[in-house]
Amino acid sequence: DIQMTQSPSSLSAAVGDRVTITCRASQTINKYLNWYQQRPGKAPKLLIYVASTLQSGVPARFSGSGSGTDFTLTISSLQPEDFATYYCQQSSLTPITFGQGTRLEIK
Amino acid sequence: EVQLVESGGALVKPGGSLILSCAASGFTFSRYDMDWVRQAPGKGLEWVASITSSSTYIHYADSVRGRFTISRDNAKNSLFLHMSSLRGEDTAVYYCARDFGTNGYDFDYWGQGTLVTVSS
Repeated sequence: DIQMTQSPSSLSAAVGDRVTITCRASQTINKYLNWYQQRPGKAPKLLIYVASTLQSGVPARFSGSGSGTDFTLTISSLQPEDFATYYCQQSSLTPITFGQGTRLEIK
Repeated sequence: EVQLVESGGALVKPGGSLILSCAASGFTFSRYDMDWVRQAPGKGLEWVASITSSSTYIHYADSVRGRFTISRDNAKNSLFLHMSSLRGEDTAVYYCARDFGTNGYDFDYWGQGTLVTVSS
């Protein structure tokens, strides 16, 4: 199975900050990497797919990059509604696997 | 508007069985692959199973293979998860998700989830 490792596991930041979350795959997954946001008690929401494509309706302050085994999600200027947990997910091979999550908290 | 509505979650004893349903609306259900993803309380996301649009290909996570069965009824716009030999570690919120990616496994719409609790 492909293991997905996110860092950091948690992060404190302030409104307006630039934040980067990283995700590393245990083997190459080309660009088959998605990012999701999950607010407490809610279903995950797709933000970025195939590493860098912004999902329709997602604000442009979110961006993704990377290929192979190393990927990043960047939020250019944090807004209050961005405080949530973020997951990466590889869509290259079954079993599909997710990172353990990064909890983004308000400083 | 795309909607996915799960139902069927319940409290069940270890070794028991349960059937989850996901009612789809707002899109042509028969054109999309569908998946189940679960989340144990306070934990991360775990992919459970997938089924292609015409049920040709089905895949399972090792943790559920042989115990869970994914199926669909395109005429009724419905996705199902038949769960048997349930264990405590199956306790989770179960989400159905639409898979829109050309490569597969890109989940653009999710239901609100249904809670399955396995406990004596």
